[in-house]
Amino acid sequence: QQQVKQSPQSLIVQKGGISIINCAYENTAFDYFPWYQQFPGKGPALLIAIRPDVSEKKEGRFTISFNKSAKQFSLHIMDSQPGDSATYFCAASVLYNFNKFYFGSGTKLNVKP
Amino acid sequence: DAGITQSPRHKVTETGTPVTLRCHQTENHRYMYWYRQDPGHGLRLIHYSYGVKDTDKGEVSDGYSVSRSKTEDFLLTLESATSSQTSVYFCAISDPLRTYEQYFGPGTRLTVT
Repeated sequence: QQQVKQSPQSLIVQKGGISIINCAYENTAFDYFPWYQQFPGKGPALLIAIRPDVSEKKEGRFTISFNKSAKQFSLHIMDSQPGDSATYFCAASVLYNFNKFYFGSGTKLNVKP
Repeated sequence: DAGITQSPRHKVTETGTPVTLRCHQTENHRYMYWYRQDPGHGLRLIHYSYGVKDTDKGEVSDGYSVSRSKTEDFLLTLESATSSQTSVYFCAISDPLRTYEQYFGPGTRLTVT
């Protein structure tokens, strides 16, 4: 049973558009929600992360929106660029439980020039 | 890749043979993790370590064992490889006293024929 559900599986966006990826979870003990970006042939790298005490976090063109009551969080990429084309993974963890991550299934983003 | 190396980077082996993958870190992080990445499943935790000689199972541990005799090295062993273990394997490190982030290695692509 996957603890974090991610959608969509793939996404095509025009350059300059907004990319939105959604994740949902059930375990209310999760207290850290990172997003990872992965390019082909590379390991995942942290993009942005949020704790459940805030509803939104913004870093440049990347924003996490967090809805604790709905147990959902999403990644918004504003002004999407071809260089953003990659696979994105959401994850959740319980920090005091050895910081084990539970990952979503991934979204392959293709930004068309 | 944050001072993490994995070896080998690519391996092809036959069903029934033992395989050992190595993860080496130079960051002195306390926690180390092994994940496998498969299409449609994201990254799934196999085993993790919270100190030298301290290890525990993750979500998909059947058929895998681990050892950590030094802070910097974490070994993943497939005792008798099966075709279902064909995957890309990632090592990650974390030290919650410094950061909640997990840093990932470059991955090992394993093919079991």
